[in-house]
Amino acid sequence: EAGVAQSPRYKIIEKRQSVAFWCNPISGHATLYWYQQILGQGPKLLIQFQNNGVVDDSQLPKDRFSAERLKGVDSTLKIQPAKLEDSAVYLCASSRGQDRVPEAFFGQGTRLTVV
Amino acid sequence: GDSVTQMEGPVTLSEEAFLTINCTYTATGYPSLFWYVQYPGEGLQLLLKATKADDKGSNKGFEATYRKETTSFHLEKGSVQVSDSAVYFCALSGSSSNTGKLIFGQGTTLQVKP
Repeated sequence: EAGVAQSPRYKIIEKRQSVAFWCNPISGHATLYWYQQILGQGPKLLIQFQNNGVVDDSQLPKDRFSAERLKGVDSTLKIQPAKLEDSAVYLCASSRGQDRVPEAFFGQGTRLTVV
Repeated sequence: GDSVTQMEGPVTLSEEAFLTINCTYTATGYPSLFWYVQYPGEGLQLLLKATKADDKGSNKGFEATYRKETTSFHLEKGSVQVSDSAVYFCALSGSSSNTGKLIFGQGTTLQVKP
């Protein structure tokens, strides 16, 4: 089965510019996650979707970050305007969402550098 | 809130040495515990998991036992190989205050020298 697909793999932008990341989860996976991984730290959840509804966005900086999952399949994460501290790897993950202990499968991530 | 603490790295070992990476957690209820591995240039992969106290997760020669009394989930391997060089993340999910998201430790870099 195909894994979680993310694009682009790398992105360099100047501060105050906008950027968007795309994620296509594993087919049939109802739950989709976006994590932010700053260098030297573990991933931190930004937002979690169950189908096309938001389950948890408590850690999403809503003044500059937005995410959507139209039709409950692929998802886009946007940053506008970007700040230097947004430099990180943005990981998308998906899980079936029906198991008591869901196993999350991760994409390779998008490495964002803000200069 | 829930949290995971891992031993700081990097950990540098010679091939065939014994590996232990310590992991402790704080959570309400009864979380599930995981070890994920990130090889150079690749995404995070689930290495092993344990869903209840005293469970032992194992995979590829790695083991970890869910110790509720010490709130720990230490990763061990009896004989490491160069190919085990990677970043290892301990994580938890499914505590009473958790929606199924993973809460990660900061990661421990393992470097195995031939």
